Amino acid sequence: DGGITQSPKYLFRKEGQNVTLSCEQNLNHDAMYWYRQDPGQGLRLIYYSQIVNDFQKGDIAEGYSVSREKKESFPLTVTSAQKNPTAFYLCASSITGTPSGELFFGEGSRLTVL
Amino acid sequence: QQQVKQSPQSLIVQKGGISIINCAYENTAFDYFPWYQQFPGKGPALLIAIRPDVSEKKEGRFTISFNKSAKQFSLHIMDSQPGDSATYFCAATGFQKLVFGTGTRLLVSP
Repeated sequence: DGGITQSPKYLFRKEGQNVTLSCEQNLNHDAMYWYRQDPGQGLRLIYYSQIVNDFQKGDIAEGYSVSREKKESFPLTVTSAQKNPTAFYLCASSITGTPSGELFFGEGSRLTVL
Repeated sequence: QQQVKQSPQSLIVQKGGISIINCAYENTAFDYFPWYQQFPGKGPALLIAIRPDVSEKKEGRFTISFNKSAKQFSLHIMDSQPGDSATYFCAATGFQKLVFGTGTRLLVSP
């Protein structure tokens, strides 16, 4: 089955630690995205990548980092610089780098900072 | 100008009723308006979408109404069912990225 796989589904972190969330897709999509979801705030774009070895900051990139070394993988690192990292993180992909609006989402990773 | 405003924040509808969710935008550069449905603990999935050259699109019980002059669009769910209980996000495509509304939590009571 084609789709997007995010791991882990749940993650707990102590303050001051970096954590990396995995996102893998087998849809052969060029573009990949990371969104953060908080109650009442919808989905906010963290980073996106339209092609391999290239990525751009979204609206809330501070405290996050990404890499795109392979077409199918787009990991997100939540660094200790992120002031309020507890959230639900969603990875998505689209066929091309200019989204028609059809994003395919993974099932998300819920990060809790203790 | 890149915002999409969505209302209501939450909605309770009886089974068989009509659910209506509204969205408004400011920037006329937006050219594609999808709606996403999200069940608890899952990622959103595309439900239905419309382009601004049509005023209405219907797929089964789901209809998008689009008012270009008012810069508003809405989702209507006819004969709402308990299985429709989810969070719904409107969105708009522009500036090479997708802008989401803040979401509406719909509860359809049996």
